[in-house]
Amino acid sequence: GAVVSQHPSRVICKSGTSVKIECRSLDFQATTMFWYRQFPKKSLMLMATSNEGSKATYEQGVEKDKFLINHASLTLSTLTVTSAHPEDSSFYICSARAGHAGTEAFFGQGTRLTVV
Amino acid sequence: GENVEQHPSTLSVQEGDSAVIKCTYSDSASNYFPWYKQELGKRPQLIIDIRSNVGEKKDQRIAVTLNKTAKHFSLHITETQPEDSAVYFCAGGGGNEKLTFGTGTRLTIIP
Repeated sequence: GAVVSQHPSRVICKSGTSVKIECRSLDFQATTMFWYRQFPKKSLMLMATSNEGSKATYEQGVEKDKFLINHASLTLSTLTVTSAHPEDSSFYICSARAGHAGTEAFFGQGTRLTVV
Repeated sequence: GENVEQHPSTLSVQEGDSAVIKCTYSDSASNYFPWYKQELGKRPQLIIDIRSNVGEKKDQRIAVTLNKTAKHFSLHITETQPEDSAVYFCAGGGGNEKLTFGTGTRLTIIP
């Protein structure tokens, strides 16, 4: 299958700082990328959908000014958690899809964010 | 929007027995239903998917069935093995691009 690489895998930051997470499709062009948040022993909660060259579509309840998403190229999307707080600590995971809706999406390995 | 419910949340079966996980969805426009397996600390991996023009799909020990009328789909794992132990997520989507995930089932295979 296709490879999606996400970095960093783990990050610890201080409250009030910003953290950038990268999601790259290594061997295909991702027309659409998705960002999820996963709480311990919980499901994947979609945060936003991003299409290359356009603004991300955020899910209800997700603050767009806090979780900045940039999808500048067909192989890279970034999620920046701004002014991080301890409650932002979570597992963030991206997925990328090459084709249209209804085709397989491939997941990155996820980022464990801890805000202290 | 789409709402996907998944049952059971935990499931333990004896090695060699079958395991069944069930999901229901709400959006009749959904036409793509993948199943993902997530091992501890790892990324979800697609194990099988089904589209709404098909009622059943099988891949070795894994099968998925879809009932469009009732809006439910199920994952069947036969001859379970210890390496099948993981969290399994169903998902539905396609009508509006995004996937909505179920709440997950923690499957434990008892040797």
